[in-house]
Amino acid sequence: QVQLVQSGAEVKKPGASVKVSCKASGYTFTNYGISWVRQAPGQGLEWMGWIGTYDGKAGYAQQFQGRLTMTTDTSTSTAYMELRSLRSDDTAVYYCARDLHYIRDYWGQGTLVTVSS
Amino acid sequence: EIVLTQSPGTLSLSPGERATLSCRASQSVSSSKLSWYQLKPGQAPRLLIYGASTRATGIPDRFSGGGSGTDFTLTISRLEPEDFAVYYCQHDTFGQGTRLEIK
Repeated sequence: QVQLVQSGAEVKKPGASVKVSCKASGYTFTNYGISWVRQAPGQGLEWMGWIGTYDGKAGYAQQFQGRLTMTTDTSTSTAYMELRSLRSDDTAVYYCARDLHYIRDYWGQGTLVTVSS
Repeated sequence: EIVLTQSPGTLSLSPGERATLSCRASQSVSSSKLSWYQLKPGQAPRLLIYGASTRATGIPDRFSGGGSGTDFTLTISRLEPEDFAVYYCQHDTFGQGTRLEIK
């Protein structure tokens, strides 16, 4: 069965970086892209960006340009999301989702990232 | 950037009633890129509808989607207790969500 398993919760200080992993199984990794979405406490869903797992090309939401990098490792069927220069308002649950032509059908369990001094 | 505006912000209904949720785009979008999700506390988003009107695998047929251009709707024909949640439409960006609460 299709599964996306994300890395565990993180606590970071302002200005630091965080890297969240998303390990896929149960399907051919390179046949689908991966989208990343976050939800801050009490807020709605926020799309962060997308990466094509076949060629590694990524597109990021405008508000994250310059401090967000998405990568993949096809040898381990794992996608990564790295966010730099963390601020308190980056505290959120981060999700990865399998994405094929805007169909995000399977999601990871979420990773809580807390930014606090 | 396309902005999606959902209405109403909160919808109060009783089980068995019909719910109609709206999603309006700031410019015309391709229907193939419009999805709806259900979100419950502590859970990952659940894909309900993709391509504006196609139900995802395992989604009950009381959920239906429609619309085109700038105006899209999600309809739940007869509300079940488990349907009370927050619903989001998405193109790339998400709408701000509609909270469906028990009246």
